[in-house]
Amino acid sequence: DQQVKQNSPSLSVQEGRISILNCDYTNSMFDYFLWYKKYPAEGPTFLISISSIKDKNEDGRFTVFLNKSAKHLSLHIVPSQPGDSAVYFCAASAASGNTPLVFGKGTRLSVIA
Amino acid sequence: GAVVSQHPSWVICKSGTSVKIECRSLDFQATTMFWYRQFPKQSLMLMATSNEGSKATYEQGVEKDKFLINHASLTLSTLTVTSAHPEDSSFYICSARDVTGWAGANVLTFGAGSRLTVL
Repeated sequence: DQQVKQNSPSLSVQEGRISILNCDYTNSMFDYFLWYKKYPAEGPTFLISISSIKDKNEDGRFTVFLNKSAKHLSLHIVPSQPGDSAVYFCAASAASGNTPLVFGKGTRLSVIA
Repeated sequence: GAVVSQHPSWVICKSGTSVKIECRSLDFQATTMFWYRQFPKQSLMLMATSNEGSKATYEQGVEKDKFLINHASLTLSTLTVTSAHPEDSSFYICSARDVTGWAGANVLTFGAGSRLTVL
């Protein structure tokens, strides 16, 4: 049973436009959500996160929105740049303490110049 | 920020041999490290939680005798793939948290990963 779902395996966006990546989760115990960016043959790098007490967190071109009632979060990238082309993973964790992250399957973003 | 170093980044071995992958936390101590595995076009699957000074905790379906984990110090965890077979070929990634850092206990920092190819 997949607890974190990214239903779009790929997304293509034109440079300068907004990229919206979606993520759904099923475990109501999740209280912290993160987005990671991954290039081929490299480890994921942390992008942005949000706590369940918030509904929005913004960092430069990246904004994460959380809708707890819908168990849905999204990552907005605006404006999109060719260097943003990568696989984006949504991840979630439950409770405090040193617990592992549960990842979605990822969405491959291609930003076309 | 926190840095996790992983070595080797790429290894090719013959079937039946064992391969050791090292994961080091630089500039911070990690009592817990996590080992993930990624198949092509798949998600990152948690294999095991490595605990300093004690036995690792393995996820369901992961053979502990096949994937030996040793967390001998606060900065080093190793994953040994024993008697490797072609189906063990995968991308293995370790991670850790710098709980003293700005992100506290929430952000996992990942190593660069190790691609294992078993012939």
